[in-house]
Amino acid sequence: KQEVTQIPAALSVPEGENLVLNCSFTDSAIYNLQWFRQDPGKGLTSLLLIQSSQREQTSGRLNASLDKSSGRSTLYIAASQPGDSATYLCAVNTGGFKTIFGAGTRLFVKA
Amino acid sequence: SQTIHQWPATLVQPVGSPLSLECTVEGTSNPNLYWYRQAAGRGLQLLFYSVGIGQISSEVPQNLSASRPQDRQFILSSKKLLLSDSGFYLCASHREGYNSPLHFGNGTRLTVT
Repeated sequence: KQEVTQIPAALSVPEGENLVLNCSFTDSAIYNLQWFRQDPGKGLTSLLLIQSSQREQTSGRLNASLDKSSGRSTLYIAASQPGDSATYLCAVNTGGFKTIFGAGTRLFVKA
Repeated sequence: SQTIHQWPATLVQPVGSPLSLECTVEGTSNPNLYWYRQAAGRGLQLLFYSVGIGQISSEVPQNLSASRPQDRQFILSSKKLLLSDSGFYLCASHREGYNSPLHFGNGTRLTVT
């Protein structure tokens, strides 16, 4: 059974710092991995999607990597800003209609 | 681009009352549609998914049901709400199959009293 874990559960950093969020999954047989951002009381916003054949994806200050063999993904945020404060979730698609989500990392960037 | 509309944004209902949450999708045709529930501090739980009109698959046995009367409309219902049905309900869509990004609406916060 696929399980997705995100560590740490919460993180507080000063503005301007570069940071890494971690995501691990137990079964390497995935189709893709997706990173989301969720603001309080809102839905999920898709940030990056990495196909199983890819190693990384970049969008602006965000870079996501995928190491399928070790069951890990990282989301790198460069030059963090207070507006980056949110919960970040990773999710793996195991084929078909099942997407398994982690519980998220709650990020707070202090001004 | 794809837009997912959900309403209402918040809802407070007494135990035993019926429920109807609606989700509509713009900017795509024949999407895969999903209903998720998010409990505080936990990951999202898939409740239902649909690959087309009238086609519903249930992931967990529960007090809820789903329907897809039109290509871009997905409805979550209950005949009699339980306290345990409280939660944050999210509608999602795969525009081009499961190897494309999953997109979400803004959710409905349901409180059963």
